[in-house]
Amino acid sequence: GQQVMQIPQYQHVQEGEDFTTYCNSSTTLSNIQWYKQRPGGHPVFLIQLVKSGEVKKQKRLTFQFGEAKKNSSLHITATQTTDVGTYFCAGWRGTSYGKLTFGQGTILTVHP
Amino acid sequence: ETGVTQTPRHLVMGMTNKKSLKCEQHLGHNAMYWYKQSAKKPLELMFVYSLEERVENNSVPSRFSPECPNSSHLFLHLHTLQPEDSALYLCASSQDPSNQPQHFGDGTRLSIL
Repeated sequence: GQQVMQIPQYQHVQEGEDFTTYCNSSTTLSNIQWYKQRPGGHPVFLIQLVKSGEVKKQKRLTFQFGEAKKNSSLHITATQTTDVGTYFCAGWRGTSYGKLTFGQGTILTVHP
Repeated sequence: ETGVTQTPRHLVMGMTNKKSLKCEQHLGHNAMYWYKQSAKKPLELMFVYSLEERVENNSVPSRFSPECPNSSHLFLHLHTLQPEDSALYLCASSQDPSNQPQHFGDGTRLSIL
C-alpha cells in the first residue's frame, strides 16, 4: 500500500534557527497537505499543494511540492517558540475517497 | 475554536464495557472521518462517511462500529476493546471526501484498563 515517510522524527532547534521537514511518498500523489498539531491539540490544516514543483509561502513557512509529485518539504525560517508542535504531511493519490495517508510527523521543539 | 466537537474528551473503560464516542460538525460539510492516533505512529484512518454513507472501511476490527445518522453527526461505538486500542481518537470533516482539507476535533483520549 501507499506509504508516506517523513523525516526527521524529532528536531530540536534554538529560537531563531531554521527548520525543515521532508516528506516522501512511495507513489505519485495528486496533492499533498500539511498539518500542524500543537502539544495536547488536534491537527490543524496549514496548506495544500497540487501542482508539480509548486512553492507556497505563509509568512516564515515555505512549502514545496516536488517535480515528480512524490516528495514535499516544509521549511520554517527563524523559528519562534510558537512554532512548537508536530508537523504532518498527508498525501492523496486521488483513487480512494478521503483516504489521506499521513506521514509519521516531525516533532519540533524550539528552545528560547 | 474548532467547528468539530467531540465528546467525551477523556474516557476510561474496561475491556468488557460498551461505550460510544460522539462527533458533531458545525461546518456544513458532507464528509466525516474517524482516525486513531497512537504514540509514535502515523494517524490511522479508520472510517470515511460521505453523505451518511460509509465509503471507506480501513480494515478496522469489528469491535469498532461507526454510525452516521446524518451529515452532522458521527458516532464510534466501542465494545470488548483491547489494551492496544488505547489511543487518541480524532474525528474530522471536510467539504467532500476527495482532496479537501480536513478539520479535526479535539479528540477523545481513550484508555482501556
